[in-house]
Amino acid sequence: KAGVTQTPRYLIKTRGQQVTLSCSPISGHRSVSWYQQTPGQGLQFLFEYFSETQRNKGNFPGRFSGRQFSNSRSEMNVSTLELGDSALYLCASSGGSRNEKLFFGSGTQLSVL
Amino acid sequence: GIQVEQSPPDLILQEGANSTLRCNFSDSVNNLQWFHQNPWGQLINLFYIPSGTKQNGRLSATTVATERYSLLYISSSQTTDSGVYFCAVDRFTSGTYKYIFGTGTRLKVLA
Repeated sequence: KAGVTQTPRYLIKTRGQQVTLSCSPISGHRSVSWYQQTPGQGLQFLFEYFSETQRNKGNFPGRFSGRQFSNSRSEMNVSTLELGDSALYLCASSGGSRNEKLFFGSGTQLSVL
Repeated sequence: GIQVEQSPPDLILQEGANSTLRCNFSDSVNNLQWFHQNPWGQLINLFYIPSGTKQNGRLSATTVATERYSLLYISSSQTTDSGVYFCAVDRFTSGTYKYIFGTGTRLKVLA
């Protein structure tokens, strides 16, 4: 079974631009969560999608958005990039019910210049 | 919100040594998982363990939910065990995930 796939692996953008990151979950998994990892703040929850619906959202500004498609693949978008958005963005997939493991992708390393 | 603390923050071991990593959380949780982040950034799921004890090879974990802590044991450590170990907890409130991660324990195993 293929694991969680995130693309691209690395991205370099400049302030003010926007970026879209992609995540393909493990086949059969319907829940996709996104996390931001920075040296200062650690791993922080962004949002979770299940069956194309956002079920939960963390404490991030509206510049951070996401969506999920009918095949469970998910994208997250960051508009008007700021220097502080430089981070490793990780997505995790799961079956979506209570007692299930999270499986993470390798992440997208975003650098904002 | 729930607070998650991990200790120690840093740990250096000689290959073959044993270690215990601790995770304390401030409120009752429904889900608890341990992860290992390798030097390339990949987070590997080690255990899903909201309560009880589990073992997987040289690794084992115990969660005492009533006392709000979990322990990860690494025996006969190897250099490939190096990396950062995170515990993450979740209450599955309203039927959705929102995991809170600890700050991690950075482990370095010397050959």
